[in-house]
Amino acid sequence: DAGVTQSPTHLIKTRGQQVTLRCSPKSGHDTVSWYQQALGQGPQFIFQYYEEEERQRGNFPDRFSGHQFPNYSSELNVNALLLGDSALYLCASSFEGQETQYFGPGTRLLVL
Amino acid sequence: GENVEQHPSTLSVQEGDSAVIKCTYSDSASNYFPWYKQELGKGPQLIIDIRSNVGEKKDQRIAVTLNKTAKHFSLHITETQPEDSAVYFCAASIVGDYKLSFGAGTTVTVRA
Repeated sequence: DAGVTQSPTHLIKTRGQQVTLRCSPKSGHDTVSWYQQALGQGPQFIFQYYEEEERQRGNFPDRFSGHQFPNYSSELNVNALLLGDSALYLCASSFEGQETQYFGPGTRLLVL
Repeated sequence: GENVEQHPSTLSVQEGDSAVIKCTYSDSASNYFPWYKQELGKGPQLIIDIRSNVGEKKDQRIAVTLNKTAKHFSLHITETQPEDSAVYFCAASIVGDYKLSFGAGTTVTVRA
């Protein structure tokens, strides 16, 4: 049973560029959440997608946007990258109605 | 929003000894409390969770206790082993609220 997968594993971008990160949920899961983890800190909630709609959002600017596809996979897009966007971006999946979230290995983004 | 505080930030124990990590939360509506273990270069792995209708839960060498009145919960690891060395995060969430609010993490080092 495949767990949560994310791609790419690492990414280097420059300020002002745009980036797209991808996530495939654990088999049987229909809900995807995205978190940002800065170095030495706990993950911070960005948003959650269910039924292809964003249904809750954390304190992140509109530069952060996402999408969920009919097969439940998801993308996180970040526009106009800032140096402060450098972090590990984590995807977590769950089954609707259940609180338990399972995390993927993350995508390490470095903005220069 | 929910604020989760975690102590200590670092913990060094001798192999075979016990390790205890404590967390407090601010929102009395929180009712789900997972613990995650994160190894270097990997995503957080769920190790145990507890819901507010239960005061204690145990899984082999790991146990979690919850005090709803005091709004704090703790992770206990007994008979620590070198492979227990990692960063541990506590988190909290409210039923119907889809995000996890994380503590800042505890770096546990088990000395052989």
